[in-house]
Amino acid sequence: DAGVTQSPTHLIKTRGQQVTLRCSPKSGHDTVSWYQQALGQGPQFIFQYYEEEERQRGNFPDRFSGHQFPNYSSELNVNALLLGDSALYLCASSTGPRGIEQFFGPGTRLTVL
Amino acid sequence: AQSVTQLDSHVSVSEGTPVLLRCNYSSSYSPSLFWYVQHPNKGLQLLLKYTSAATLVKGINGFEAEFKKSETSFHLTKPSAHMSDAAEYFCVVRGNAGNMLTFGGGTRLMVKP
Repeated sequence: DAGVTQSPTHLIKTRGQQVTLRCSPKSGHDTVSWYQQALGQGPQFIFQYYEEEERQRGNFPDRFSGHQFPNYSSELNVNALLLGDSALYLCASSTGPRGIEQFFGPGTRLTVL
Repeated sequence: AQSVTQLDSHVSVSEGTPVLLRCNYSSSYSPSLFWYVQHPNKGLQLLLKYTSAATLVKGINGFEAEFKKSETSFHLTKPSAHMSDAAEYFCVVRGNAGNMLTFGGGTRLMVKP
């Protein structure tokens, strides 16, 4: 039973560029949430996708956008990268938008130079 | 809105001694609370969850936590620490609407031989 997978593992970009991160949920899960974890801090909720729509959003600017595909996988896009966007980006999946237990992937480490 | 405060950023114990990681929460409703563990270069793993059933919750690897509404606390304990317990621990509260998780700042547990 495959868990949550994310790609790529690491990514280096420069300021102003755009980046796309990918996530495949755990088998049987249909809801994907994205979190940003800055160094030395706890993860912060970015947004949640269910039925290919953004259902809930945290306190992040519009530069952060996402998409969910019919197979439940998801992408996180960040435009006009800032140095402060450097972080570990975590994807979590659950059964339904109110699923109690969320399973996390290993994350994508984004470095913005 | 909900929030979580982890009272210690670092905790150091000797192998075989008890572990106590402290967490206070703030919520305007009856919360769902979780403890997650994060080992270096690995994703977040759920240790245990409280969802308004028994106030003493048992989790994996010998960890348990007690929900105390009067003290708004959800402290994590383990009777005897193992070297493999060294990691970052996060206390988490779940949103009332949707599935958004709010993380505390984390407690780094160090286990000395």
